[in-house]
Amino acid sequence: DTGVSQDPRHKITKRGQNVTFRCDPISEHNRLYWYRQTLGQGPEFLTYFQNEAQLEKSRLLSDRFSAERPKGSFSTLEIQRTEQGDSAMYLCASRPILRGGNRDGYGYTFGSGTRLTVV
Amino acid sequence: QQQVKQSPQSLIVQKGGISIINCAYENTAFDYFPWYQQFPGKGPALLIAIRPDVSEKKEGRFTISFNKSAKQFSLHIMDSQPGDSATYFCAATRGSARQLTFGSGTQLTVLP
Repeated sequence: DTGVSQDPRHKITKRGQNVTFRCDPISEHNRLYWYRQTLGQGPEFLTYFQNEAQLEKSRLLSDRFSAERPKGSFSTLEIQRTEQGDSAMYLCASRPILRGGNRDGYGYTFGSGTRLTVV
Repeated sequence: QQQVKQSPQSLIVQKGGISIINCAYENTAFDYFPWYQQFPGKGPALLIAIRPDVSEKKEGRFTISFNKSAKQFSLHIMDSQPGDSATYFCAATRGSARQLTFGSGTQLTVLP
C-alpha cells in the first residue's frame, strides 16, 4: 500500500443518475478527506472523517451528497440525482493524526481523483 | 469568499529562470502554509510548507518567503526546469480539522 487509491478514475453519467466513488486511504492514516476540484480552480473541502466518524461537512456538500467510512477503512462518496454542476474532479486524501495536538497540516497524501462528467 | 488569493493565473519562464508565485490570505487563524504541485491527471502533491513564525524556508530549488504582517507568502523556484511545468497551488490550514484552503492555482510553463 503505497498511496491513496480512488475508483473509478473517470465516470460519465446522465443527469439525474446516482453515482458512487470509492477511496482507499493509506492504511495507517486515521483521517480521510474529500475535496472537489473544478477546472481551473483549486480543490475545495467537502468533508472529512476521523476513523469512521464524519466530523465536518462543508456547505458545498448538499443533501444530494453523502459520504461514509465504514469501519474506518475505505470511504465512499455518493451523489444522488446528479446535476451538470456536479461535473468535477473528486479528490480523496488521507493523513495520520500527528503528535503534538495535531497542529500540522503535513502528511496529506492525495489520490489521483475521480473525474465526473454529467451529461 | 476566497480566503487565499493566488497570482498570477499563468506564468511562462525560460529554462534556468526564476519562477515566482504569490499568495495572500485573509484569515489570521491560518497557522500552516503549504504549496502543492499538480500534474495533469494527478492529485496535488506537497512541495514545501512554512509556519508563520518563520520568514523563509528553502528546500533545494524551492523557497517560500513569508510576510506575516502583510499576510502574504510566495514561492520561488530557482533554476526552473521544463519538468517543473505543472499547476502550483498555495494553501493554508487551521483548526483541529486541518482542512486545506487552496488558492486558485498558477499554471507554470518552463520553456526549454
